[in-house]
Amino acid sequence: EAGVVQSPRYKIIEKKQPVAFWCNPISGHNTLYWYLQNLGQGPELLIRYENEEAVDDSQLPKDRFSAERLKGVDSTLKIQPAELGDSAVYLCASSPRLGDNEQFFGPGTRLTVL
Amino acid sequence: DAKTTQPNSMESNEEEPVHLPCNHSTISGTDYIHWYRQLPSQGPEYVIHGLTSNVNNRMASLAIAEDRKSSTLILHRATLRDAAVYYCILRDPYGGATNKLIFGTGTLLAVQP
Repeated sequence: EAGVVQSPRYKIIEKKQPVAFWCNPISGHNTLYWYLQNLGQGPELLIRYENEEAVDDSQLPKDRFSAERLKGVDSTLKIQPAELGDSAVYLCASSPRLGDNEQFFGPGTRLTVL
Repeated sequence: DAKTTQPNSMESNEEEPVHLPCNHSTISGTDYIHWYRQLPSQGPEYVIHGLTSNVNNRMASLAIAEDRKSSTLILHRATLRDAAVYYCILRDPYGGATNKLIFGTGTLLAVQP
């Protein structure tokens, strides 16, 4: 069974440029999460989706971050414009449904903003 | 949200048991104890979870104190592939933030050959 797929794995951009990350969850998983992980810290939840509906986006900085999950499958996280402090690993996770005990994480996208 | 306290780092020798402690003195009656681990350059991976009774699975065992204020993740025979950051997380499935995992900084486990 394929795991959570994320692309790209690495991205280097100049500050003020836009960037987008893509996530394909495990087939059949209704719930999708985006996390941010700074160096030496644990992941922090940015947003979670139940199918195509964002059920918790309270931690998403909405002035520059946006996310979508069209058709309730793949998801895209965008930053526009990127700032130096956005350099981090962006992780996507999925679970069959909200409330499940186990979340399955992708390998993440490492973003470097110069 | 109830918080957990873990040592920043631990060392173990290969093929020996490892006991990773976690303190959670403010745990509520409906909080489950979850453990995830994160290998280098990978996303976190679910290890085990429990509520009151000790739990075993193919990866590890979870020993929960009778008062539930602490727990221990047990790796029965550490291998080099067990070197990772181990996160102890409390989650209340009946709370408003359903299925929300709040990660701390975890314990970095080093395994020596």
